[in-house]
Amino acid sequence: QQQVKQSPQSLIVQKGGISIINCAYENTAFDYFPWYQQFPGKGPALLIAIRPDVSEKKEGRFTISFNKSAKQFSLHIMDSQPGDSATYFCAAKQAGNNRKLIWGLGTSLAVNP
Amino acid sequence: GAVVSQHPSRVICKSGTSVKIECRSLDFQATTMFWYRQFPKKSLMLMATSNEGSKATYEQGVEKDKFLINHASLTLSTLTVTSAHPEDSSFYICSARVLTGKNTEAFFGQGTRLTVV
Repeated sequence: QQQVKQSPQSLIVQKGGISIINCAYENTAFDYFPWYQQFPGKGPALLIAIRPDVSEKKEGRFTISFNKSAKQFSLHIMDSQPGDSATYFCAAKQAGNNRKLIWGLGTSLAVNP
Repeated sequence: GAVVSQHPSRVICKSGTSVKIECRSLDFQATTMFWYRQFPKKSLMLMATSNEGSKATYEQGVEKDKFLINHASLTLSTLTVTSAHPEDSSFYICSARVLTGKNTEAFFGQGTRLTVV
C-alpha cells in the first residue's frame, strides 16, 4: 500500500508555464513533507519542504501548498524552464531522528523550450 | 547546504566479487545514514538505516548478509555488496541526516551505479 500517492506520473509543460505535482497521504502522524528533484544519474536534492503548521511555502519559483484537512500537498513550479526537466519526488516523515522518509513514486517533468 | 560525498560514482565488477561503496558527510556529523536502491524510472527503495556505532536496521526483504553496512564514525558509512550477481546491478544512493536541531533535513550522495557482469 502506497502511503504517499503522487500524481501525475509524467508531465509535459511549455516553457514559462506552471508545473503542478500533487501528493496525498494517509498517516496523520507525518510532520515533514519535502520535495526532491533528481536528474538522471544523480542523487535526489532537496528542493523545498514544509511542515503542517503552515499552508504554503515559497522559495523562488517553487511553492508548496499544504492542505492538512485534505491530507494533500502539492508542488508548483512557476515560469517552468527546460532546466527544470527532471524527476520530482514528494516524501513524508514522522517526527524522530530515526524515522524514514516515505516516498512518492515520482513525476517525470519535461519542460519544452 | 550540507554535502554528502559518495564514492565511487560508477563501478563495474564481476559476478561473485564484492564491492564497497562509501558515503561521507563532509561538513556535518550524521548520526543516521540511510542506504537506498533505485531501479530505472522508479522511486527510491530504502534498504537500511544505519546509526553510528550500532548495527544497521534492514528493511524487510533486504539480505543483511549480502548488503553489509558499517557506520564506524559520524561521517562515514559503507555499503558492501558481497558475492555480487547481475541482479544486484542498480543505482545505490546514501543519505545522511544532520545530528541535532529542529531541522531533520536529509542530504543525499550523488549515487553509485553498480553494474555486475
